[in-house]
Amino acid sequence: ELVLTQSPGTLSLSPGERATLSCWVSQSVSRNYLAWYQQKPGQAPRLLIYDASTRATGIPERFSGSVSGTDFTLTINRLEPEDFAVYYCQQYGSSPVTFGPGTKVDIK
Amino acid sequence: QVQLVESGGGIVQPGRSLRLSCAASGFIFSNYAMHWVRQAPGKGLEWVAVIWYDGSNEYYADSVKGRVTISRDSSTNTLFLEMNSLRGEDTAVYYCARARGYSGYDAFDNWGQGTLVTVSS
Repeated sequence: ELVLTQSPGTLSLSPGERATLSCWVSQSVSRNYLAWYQQKPGQAPRLLIYDASTRATGIPERFSGSVSGTDFTLTINRLEPEDFAVYYCQQYGSSPVTFGPGTKVDIK
Repeated sequence: QVQLVESGGGIVQPGRSLRLSCAASGFIFSNYAMHWVRQAPGKGLEWVAVIWYDGSNEYYADSVKGRVTISRDSSTNTLFLEMNSLRGEDTAVYYCARARGYSGYDAFDNWGQGTLVTVSS
């Protein structure tokens, strides 16, 4: 089973700042099959990025994903008030599908 | 638009069974793999099970293997999760989610609103 580690656990930033979230995977992810999801309190998760760097439909350009080996990064440029939420990474390249523990982005 | 609506959650005693449903609409249900994902109160996301677009493959998390069965009915566009021998650690919001494609090896692009299962005596 692939283990995903996210850092930091909590990121405190102000609107307009850049957020950089990391997800490290214990082994190589097949075809870089890694996604990022956003979840707000009381809501279902929303797909932001898939295949490590492809934005999902309707996702603003300020969200971007990148990869270097087994290190995956979600970058949010110029945080908007609606971006403060919990972010999860997920690998779906091998079974079982696994999620990271999440990074909470809160308002400083 | 794509809609996924879960139902069937509630309070159930340990050791009992429960069947969750997920009604799908707004897309060709038989073209997509479907998943169940759960989230214990205040915790992160845990994948539970997947079924391929045609029902040809099913996979389960070790934490539920042998106690849970995922199935689908393309005549009613409904996904199911049959859960047996329920335990306290099964308490969670259960989400159904659509894969982007026909196989389970894809991201989850649409999610339902979830249904809460509470296992308690």
